Amino acid sequence: DADVTQTPRNRITKTGKRIMLECSQTKGHDRMYWYRQDPGLGLRLIYYSFDVKDINKGEISDGYSVSRQAQAKFSLSLESAIPNQTALYFCATSDSGYHGYTFGSGTRLTVV
Amino acid sequence: AQSVAQPEDQVNVAEGNPLTVKCTYSVSGNPYLFWYVQYPNRGLQFLLKYITGDNLVKGSYGFEAEFNKSQTSFHLKKPSALVSDSALYFCAVRDINAGKSTFGDGTTLTVKP
Repeated sequence: DADVTQTPRNRITKTGKRIMLECSQTKGHDRMYWYRQDPGLGLRLIYYSFDVKDINKGEISDGYSVSRQAQAKFSLSLESAIPNQTALYFCATSDSGYHGYTFGSGTRLTVV
Repeated sequence: AQSVAQPEDQVNVAEGNPLTVKCTYSVSGNPYLFWYVQYPNRGLQFLLKYITGDNLVKGSYGFEAEFNKSQTSFHLKKPSALVSDSALYFCAVRDINAGKSTFGDGTTLTVKP
């Protein structure tokens, strides 16, 4: 099993619908992150969490919300999806040291 | 605020030739630098990091990176490219105090046979 699992892998949804992307990890890491990838724009941070009671906004949090249900689970919600939220979404985890992130395989979201 | 620049959208090299993927950074304190690789339809994978110590760091798949503090650069290198190295490469800088990383826009490496 993957260390960081994202579901669904692909999703097509309609404008205005609410959608949740889920992330779970078996790394035992405290820190979890949601990034969005757009062609030519790299990865941009949406939200991050250092523990269950700690949630922080990233650089592009408008239109998104998150929930850290447990140390191992971190979900991203789009309350009312819009077409410019069409992107590839990545969940990542890390410990509090100097190691690199561990990424999930991504969720490709299309809003029509 | 920290930032990372990858000045080349695309790098093309022939198999067997050396490759370099460039990265420059801007941070207010000590730089903690990372390279990741993304293969098609996959998530990003950690390649290597610079935290402190030797300016030349070695990582996975034969890659290495050279840290240059005066030029604020952290270029990714490999002495002999393989076709299988073709992928999207991201440089990142971590703010250790804030615990989050900022990524460059990515460089697509294409290695031709």
